[in-house]
Amino acid sequence: AQKITQTQPGMFVQEKEAVTLDCTYDTSDPSYGLFWYKQPSSGEMIFLIYQGSYDQQNATEGRYSLNFQKARKSANLVISASQLGDSAMYFCAMRESSGATNKLIFGTGTLLAVQP
Amino acid sequence: DAGVTQSPTHLIKTRGQQVTLRCSPISGHKSVSWYQQVLGQGPQFIFQYYEKEERGRGNFPDRFSARQFPNYSSELNVNALLLGDSALYLCASSPQGYSNQPQHFGDGTRLSIL
Repeated sequence: AQKITQTQPGMFVQEKEAVTLDCTYDTSDPSYGLFWYKQPSSGEMIFLIYQGSYDQQNATEGRYSLNFQKARKSANLVISASQLGDSAMYFCAMRESSGATNKLIFGTGTLLAVQP
Repeated sequence: DAGVTQSPTHLIKTRGQQVTLRCSPISGHKSVSWYQQVLGQGPQFIFQYYEKEERGRGNFPDRFSARQFPNYSSELNVNALLLGDSALYLCASSPQGYSNQPQHFGDGTRLSIL
């Protein structure tokens, strides 16, 4: 069965520094998609970045980049130049490959606190 | 363009009651998925509808049902509410029924069962 593991329940980072949020995944399917979402205290899930299993390069979106290590089955999110507004819950997710659905499997999340 | 809209934002019910949650997808999106997020956990998949047909169902009891309308909006119904149904219910839309395009979520409906 497919699974997402986020081992960091909480992280602290100083404003303007970079931070890495860990994510490992388990799947036997060669084709899969990995996503990172940000969830502020308001509850909305905000899409940040996507990495496809066949993508040759690591995905980047502004201050967000994904450190994709396929052999190690890890897809860590790197946030550069942290801002106070980055304080939120961060979820790693994978689209389930069995069946023709868009079902996302989420990890348990990492709570990031950016300190001034 | 408007994002995914959900209503109501908050709801308080008592055990045994029934509830209907509503979701309007982003214009042009034909797929709607529902997720339940219990406090302190990641979202859990409940249903996906695409072109008005059920595409997938998560591990939830038959008390949970949903439907999608011709305008692609969707309703999630939960009957015989239990205390454990207290959660944030999230709706997500995407253009297609099966792709790696990102799903876009609404703000959610916070359901509290007393």
